[in-house]
Formats: sequence, structure tokens, C-alpha cells
Amino acid sequence: EIVLSQSPGTLSLSPGERATLSCRASQSVRSNYLAWYQQKPGQAPRLLIYGASSRATGIPDSFSGSGSGTDFTLTISRLEPEDFAVYYCQQYGSSPYTFGPGTKVDIK
Amino acid sequence: QVQLVQSGAEVKKPGASVKVSCKASGYTFTNYAINWVRQAPGQGLEWMGWISAYNGNTNHAQKFQGRVLMTTDTSTSIAYMELRSLRSDDTAVYYCTRDRFDYWGQGTLVTVSS
Repeated sequence: EIVLSQSPGTLSLSPGERATLSCRASQSVRSNYLAWYQQKPGQAPRLLIYGASSRATGIPDSFSGSGSGTDFTLTISRLEPEDFAVYYCQQYGSSPYTFGPGTKVDIK
Repeated sequence: QVQLVQSGAEVKKPGASVKVSCKASGYTFTNYAINWVRQAPGQGLEWMGWISAYNGNTNHAQKFQGRVLMTTDTSTSIAYMELRSLRSDDTAVYYCTRDRFDYWGQGTLVTVSS
């Protein structure tokens, strides 16, 4: 089973700042099948990035994903008020598909 | 538009079973698998497994083997997830999500309590 770790656990930033979130896998993620999700309280997760770097439909270009193998990054270039949420990475290249523990981005 | 609409909240006693439904619309049901993901209160996301809506093939996480049954009804475009021998730590919101996790249901809260 591939174990994903995310850092930091909490990121405190101000609107307009840049956010950089990290996801590290315990072994290489097949075909870079790595996704990022945003989740707000009481809501289902929302797919942001798939295939490590492809934006899902309707996701603004302020969100970008990068990385390969075992190290991946989600960058939010300029935080909007609606971007404060919890972000999860997930690998779907090998069963069982696994999620990271999440990074909470909160308002400083 | 693609929609996944799940059944309502359930309260079950330990040892009982629960069956959650997920009705799909806005796309060809048999062209995509359905995944099930759960989230315990205040915790992260946990993938449970998937079912092919095309042929019924399934793949479950090892921890749910023998306790979970995923099925589909292609005549109504509904996917089902049944979890048996419920324990208190099965209390969670259960989500269905299409294939590559691009569309999600609204979630179904299952509470297991004596």
C-alpha cells in the first residue's frame, strides 16, 4: 500500500499570498496518477488536479500541480477568500487508492 | 449535467448492516465505474473500493474484504454499497464518486450506535 504524507499540516496565510502544499509518497506513483482535492466543511471533496498536473474542468488557473515519482506539489498562486479549506492528495495508480492526511489552509 | 444523488442518513446498531444508494444521471451509467469513499467525523478520506458499472467487476480495499458488497442496477443507474457487521468506528459520511473522482455525491451519514 502506498502511504501519502502531506506537509505542512496547517498553512496560515493571508489572501493574495501564494500557497505551496507538498505530498510525498512512500513509493513511486504509477503513471503519476496523483490527484488533489479541496474540501470545505460540510461539503464533498472537489477534484482540482489529476495526473499530477492537469486541472479539472472549471478549476481556475491559479491552481497548479507539479511533480512526479514520489514528490508532488500543489500551488495556489494567489489565495482568494474561497480557497481557505483542507486539501488532500490521492494516488490512484495502485490499489488500494490512498489519500494523504490533508493540509489545512487557514486565514492568518 | 452529471449528478450523483445519495440516499439519506442512517442510524444503525452495532452488528447491523447498512445499504447506501447512489443514483447517477447526466451521463451513460455503464461507461464509468463508481468508487466509494468514506470520511469519519473530523478525519480524512478513506477509499473503500470501486465497481464497474459496465460488468460489475469490483475491487475493494483489503480492510473491507468480506464486509462490503458493491452492486449496480443498470436499469435505474443506481449503485449500492452495503456494509455489514457494523461497528462504532464505521460511523462516517459515505460518498460515491464517479470513476476518476470528478463528480461526487452529497454524502450519506451513517451513524453506528447502541
